[in-house]
Amino acid sequence: VQLVESGGGLVQPGGSLRLSCAASGFTFSNYWMAWVRQAPGKGLEWLATIKGDGSEIFQVDSVKGRFTISRDNAKNSLFLQMSSLRAEDTAVYYCARDNDYKMDVWGQGTTVTVSS
Amino acid sequence: QTVVTQEPSFSVSPGGTVTLTCGLSSGSVSTNSYPSWYQQTPGQAPRTLIYRTNTRSPGVPDRFSGSILGNKAALTITGAQADDESDYYCVLYMSSGTYVFGTGTKVTVL
Repeated sequence: VQLVESGGGLVQPGGSLRLSCAASGFTFSNYWMAWVRQAPGKGLEWLATIKGDGSEIFQVDSVKGRFTISRDNAKNSLFLQMSSLRAEDTAVYYCARDNDYKMDVWGQGTTVTVSS
Repeated sequence: QTVVTQEPSFSVSPGGTVTLTCGLSSGSVSTNSYPSWYQQTPGQAPRTLIYRTNTRSPGVPDRFSGSILGNKAALTITGAQADDESDYYCVLYMSSGTYVFGTGTKVTVL
């Protein structure tokens, strides 16, 4: 069971970035999936969760309208499309399996830096 | 906006017991919030310790236990060991379908 994030990097304020998370070792479409981030030296922040079939999405208010969670079950992949990025979005972004009201499998994280 | 509060830090002696708590800015924590607890060491991804208030994740030592204490969720480490020195986060499930992480507690074992 493994999750591997990719797509992080340096982006200018106002720019966009798409993060990906490749899942393996479990039936991806059976599980809700989530994105969680951690700003440097700060705590963890839940961002969004998407149902196994993609039919339901829940997000934290602070990123609504700027971040979009999606998935491609045929490719066992989870995505986070981020736009209008701000300096305060600088963080390590983790994908996690959301299973029975817990995040039980975590990726290693991908780093996003928003700076000019 | 819902804030989930944890003690900023705790120090515990090796072999000692420490109880971390997880409270809501408004209201009480109950089993309906499905409290879960995570351990994180610097530079690493979080590790799931406890879910559904008091169920240990596979491989988690039984010195970790979860409960509801009064109006808060709690994580107790009984017989602390050096490698328990970490940051600990709780997570609460909200009726809106969202999750909120607690502010985190840094545990030092010395």
